[in-house]
Amino acid sequence: SQTIHQWPATLVQPVGSPLSLECTVEGTSNPNLYWYRQAAGRGLQLLFYSVGIGQISSEVPQNLSASRPQDRQFILSSKKLLLSDSGFYLCAWSPRSNEQYFGPGTRLTVT
Amino acid sequence: GENVEQHPSTLSVQEGDSAVIKCTYSDSASNYFPWYKQELGKGPQLIIDIRSNVGEKKDQRIAVTLNKTAKHFSLHITETQPEDSAVYFCAPRESGYALNFGKGTSLLVTP
Repeated sequence: SQTIHQWPATLVQPVGSPLSLECTVEGTSNPNLYWYRQAAGRGLQLLFYSVGIGQISSEVPQNLSASRPQDRQFILSSKKLLLSDSGFYLCAWSPRSNEQYFGPGTRLTVT
Repeated sequence: GENVEQHPSTLSVQEGDSAVIKCTYSDSASNYFPWYKQELGKGPQLIIDIRSNVGEKKDQRIAVTLNKTAKHFSLHITETQPEDSAVYFCAPRESGYALNFGKGTSLLVTP
């Protein structure tokens, strides 16, 4: 069966510091991968998606970037965090069909 | 982009009663209609989905109904239990990769 991992689970970072969140998927190959952000009490906003290694599409302009160095690894990064980057970051994967399956999330607090 | 609305935003029912959450969408080209359940501090979990060539789908106590003409679909939970308490999101999708999440419905099932 497929599993999706995210780390760290929680993170507190000062404004202006760099960020690296990692997501890995097991038990599947060539998945579509996604990064979402969820602000407190709100729905999910798609940030990036990837259909293959090195292929990244950005949905919204922002302070963040994404990379996919390996087939089942997806990384979310920032060079300098802003207060507004605080939130719950969710990675998801999907087979070449409709369903998307989410990881456990990373709670980021920028102070 | 897709305009997605969920109603109600909060719902409180007694254990054993039924709960219904409605999702309306704007894009008539939408062809995939999932519902997600999110418990506090966790990633969303896909609980049921339906495609545009089907009007209703049932899985034990959970069902989804779709009215493509009126552009809405609903989540039905029967014989509710306290563990059904969570935030529920609809996320209709047109073509492409993005799920368009509603703002969520907070369901509370009281014993």
